[in-house]
Amino acid sequence: GENVEQHPSTLSVQEGDSAVIKCTYSDSASNYFPWYKQELGKRPQLIIDIRSNVGEKKDQRIAVTLNKTAKHFSLHITETQPEDSAVYFCAAAYSGAGSYQLTFGKGTKLSVIP
Amino acid sequence: NAGVTQTPKFQVLKTGQSMTLQCAQDMNHNSMYWYRQDPGMGLRLIYYSASEGTTDKGEVPNGYNVSRLNKREFSLRLESAAPSQTSVYFCASRKRTGNYNEQFFGPGTRLTVL
Repeated sequence: GENVEQHPSTLSVQEGDSAVIKCTYSDSASNYFPWYKQELGKRPQLIIDIRSNVGEKKDQRIAVTLNKTAKHFSLHITETQPEDSAVYFCAAAYSGAGSYQLTFGKGTKLSVIP
Repeated sequence: NAGVTQTPKFQVLKTGQSMTLQCAQDMNHNSMYWYRQDPGMGLRLIYYSASEGTTDKGEVPNGYNVSRLNKREFSLRLESAAPSQTSVYFCASRKRTGNYNEQFFGPGTRLTVL
């Protein structure tokens, strides 16, 4: 089955700096890579996703890059703000007929220091 | 539109007791999921239901059973609770956009087994 590794497990940055979280996956058939943000005591919520037919996607201060050859993808947050403090999870899935599961990384706790 | 709802929010059980966690979604999604979240372990899939009338085991199914009661509802049952089942449980449902997944999570149930 799919295996997703996520690094680092914790990350502290100064407000205004950039943060980068990296994930690797094992199954070359995976073609969908979402990122979830989970604030303390809350549910995970999708913040951005990327499909295997593109290499980069941006949404305001967040961006995700995908390297299919190396089987890794990354989340980039620019101009970090205190409200970006949360746990971030990457995930991978093969999205096709008969396939339904997401495999999650173990999470990165991001702390933005004012 | 309430999205994904879960009951109860909190529960304390004694070892050996049984209980059922309830989940419902009003988004007309076909697929539903149960995850458990433990510190440092990310989100691990317990069971999922690809469509009404079907259920399948995930990564950590031992000690649990599920019922897909109808398209809206997917319940998780602990027949004889053990301290190792102390965790936060999340239900999710899947929106299918084209050929890709997007999973929406409920607010979670925090379960403590003494």
